[in-house]
Amino acid sequence: DGGITQSPKYLFRKEGQNVTLSCEQNLNHDAMYWYRQDPGQGLRLIYYSQIVNDFQKGDIAEGYSVSREKKESFPLTVTSAQKNPTAFYLCASSSSGEDTEAFFGQGTRLTVV
Amino acid sequence: GEDVEQSLFLSVREGDSSVINCTYTDSSSTYLYWYKQEPGAGLQLLTYIFSNMDMKQDQRLTVLLNKKDKHLSLRIADTQTGDSAIYFCAGRYNKLIFGAGTRLAVHP
Repeated sequence: DGGITQSPKYLFRKEGQNVTLSCEQNLNHDAMYWYRQDPGQGLRLIYYSQIVNDFQKGDIAEGYSVSREKKESFPLTVTSAQKNPTAFYLCASSSSGEDTEAFFGQGTRLTVV
Repeated sequence: GEDVEQSLFLSVREGDSSVINCTYTDSSSTYLYWYKQEPGAGLQLLTYIFSNMDMKQDQRLTVLLNKKDKHLSLRIADTQTGDSAIYFCAGRYNKLIFGAGTRLAVHP
């Protein structure tokens, strides 16, 4: 089945630790996105990538890092510099055309303990 | 810059129509989108409208676009309890920008 997969679904992190969230797609999409969702704030864009080996900062990139070494994969690292990392993280992918939909993963809920 | 705004909450009675509103600041998005999010899940595309259209109907869903006022709305006819979810409007600029989401609650 074609789709976009995030793992893990739930993740716990101790303060001061880095943690990496996985996002994989087999839809042959060029563009991939990471969003953070907090209650009442909708989706805020962290990073996005429109092509392999290239990515751009979104609105809230501080404390996060990404890589795009393969078309299928766009992992997000939440670093210790992110002061309030507890949130629901959503990954999405889309093809390049403007009329195409974005497909979302099921999300990863990150909790700092 | 690009900004998309929505009201945060809507409550309707089962069987009534729901109207979810959205305003945007940048008119350059060729398409405008409506996504639905079930609890604890990702988003799914409901429908989208080309920017030079005024209206699009798809079964129980009607999208209205007022380009002059930069206003987009989603009407759900005969709202059911299964329609309870968060609804996001979105525009595609050089990246996808979403509104804050409207939580629709459907009660008997």
